[in-house]
Amino acid sequence: QLVLTQSPSASASLGASVKLTCILSSEHSNYAIAWHQQQPEKGPRFLMKLNNDGSHTKGDGIPDRFSGSTSGPERYLTISSLQSEDEADYYCQTWGTAIWVFGGGTKLTVL
Amino acid sequence: QVQLQESGPGLVKPSETLSLTCTVSGGSINTYFWSWVRQPAGKGLEWIGRISASGSTNYNPSLKSRVTMSVDTSKNQFSLKLSSVTAADTAVYYCARTYYDLLTGPYGGWFDPWGQGTLVTVSS
Repeated sequence: QLVLTQSPSASASLGASVKLTCILSSEHSNYAIAWHQQQPEKGPRFLMKLNNDGSHTKGDGIPDRFSGSTSGPERYLTISSLQSEDEADYYCQTWGTAIWVFGGGTKLTVL
Repeated sequence: QVQLQESGPGLVKPSETLSLTCTVSGGSINTYFWSWVRQPAGKGLEWIGRISASGSTNYNPSLKSRVTMSVDTSKNQFSLKLSSVTAADTAVYYCARTYYDLLTGPYGGWFDPWGQGTLVTVSS
C-alpha cells in the first residue's frame, strides 16, 4: 500500500532553517513526490515536485529559500531564512497508477 | 495563468447528493487532468477523483461507490457528485489541475494550481 508518513509538527526560529521529512512506504521508495504548503485559512499551494534523484521543479513564484532533497525512501523539504509567513501546514503527495495519496501533514511553527 | 473556482451549495442534507462545479479560467480544460480533493476541518487532504477532458475517470477506492465526476468542455468546467452523504462528508472541497511532466506521464502527477476551496456542510 502506497503510504506517506510525516511528523505532525515541527518548529524553528525566525531566520533559521528547518528540514521537513516525508517517508515513502518501503516498496515505493523510488517514487517522486510533490510538496504543498497550506497557510492558515487558505487553500493549498504547490511548492515543488521532488524526483527520486533529488532534482526538483518548483512552482511559479516559489522562493529560492525552499529546496528539496532525498535519501532512500525519505523526501525532504528545507526552508531556509524562515519568515513568519512560512508558518503553515506542509503536505507531501505522491501517486501510483491512477491513484493519489497525501501524507498526514506537518504543522510548522515559526518561533 | 490557469485559475480554478469551485461553486455549489454550502449545505446538503444527509442521504442526499452533494454537487459541486469547478470553473477553469486562463487555460483550456482540454489540457491535463482535473481532480477533486477534500479536507475535513482540522484534518488532512484526501484525493477524491480525477477526470480528463474526454471524460475518463479515476476515483479513490474508498469513495468510488458514491462518486461521479463529469466534464463540460464547452463551459471549461468539471463537476463532482457525491451521493448518500453523511456528516463525515462535511469538508472543504478543492478542485485542482492534475499536472504531469514527461517523466511522470499521464497516470500520475501533482496538483497545481488549486482552487480556493468551498465548504460543504452535511446537516439536516
